[in-house]
Amino acid sequence: EVQLVESGGGLVQPGGSLRLSCAASGFTFGSHAMRWVRQAPGKGLQWVSAIGTSGAPTYYADSVKGRFTVSRDNSRNTLYLQMNSLRAEDTAVYYCAKRHDSGSHDYWGQGTLVTVSS
Amino acid sequence: EIVLTQSPATLSLSPGERATLSCRASQSISNSLAWYQQRPGQAPSLLIYDASNRATGIPARFSGSGSGTDFTLTISSLEPEDFAIYYCQQCSSWPITFGQGTRLEIK
Repeated sequence: EVQLVESGGGLVQPGGSLRLSCAASGFTFGSHAMRWVRQAPGKGLQWVSAIGTSGAPTYYADSVKGRFTVSRDNSRNTLYLQMNSLRAEDTAVYYCAKRHDSGSHDYWGQGTLVTVSS
Repeated sequence: EIVLTQSPATLSLSPGERATLSCRASQSISNSLAWYQQRPGQAPSLLIYDASNRATGIPARFSGSGSGTDFTLTISSLEPEDFAIYYCQQCSSWPITFGQGTRLEIK
C-alpha cells in the first residue's frame, strides 16, 4: 500500500524557516518524481514545487522561487521542502504527492499545516 | 501560465441525478488534464487522468471527456459520497495549475 506521511508543520513567525518532510512507502520511491502542493485555509489547490527522480530537475511556483528548496533522499525514501523567509500568505496545508506517469498526482499524503503568524 | 476556469462554482443536485462539471483552459493542453475529488478534511484523490482515463478503483459512474481547451467531468448517477469539491489540473506545461474548484452540494 502506497503511503505518504508529511511532518514538520507548525506555527512560525514571519521571516522564519521550516523544513517539511514526506516519508514514502509502498512503492519504489527513487523511480518517481514528486511534488508539493498546498492549500490555504478554505481555498483551492496550488502547486508549489516538483523534483525529478534523482533530485533534478526541480521546479518552483513563482510565489516561492528563491525562498523554498525541494530535495529528496532516495536512501531514506523521504522528500523535503525547506521553506525560508516565510510570509503570512504561505499559511496552508502542505501535501506531498507522487507523480503519475500522466503528469497528474495519483497518491497524496494527509498534509501538514504550516501557519505563519506573529 | 495556463489558467483553468471551472464552472459552475457550485452545483446543487440530488442523489441519483447526473452531474456535469466543466473545466476550460486558457490555451490548448491537448488531453493533459486530470480531475480530483476532495472531501472535507481529506486530501484530494485522483479520479481521471489524460482527460478520460479513470484512475485505479474509480467507479464507472465517473467519466471524463474533452481535449484542447474544453473538458467535462460527468457523474452519471450521484451517490451520497460524491458530494465534495472537484478540481481540474493541467500537466501540459509548467507551472502546473489547478482550477478553482466546483463544489457539488446536496440539493
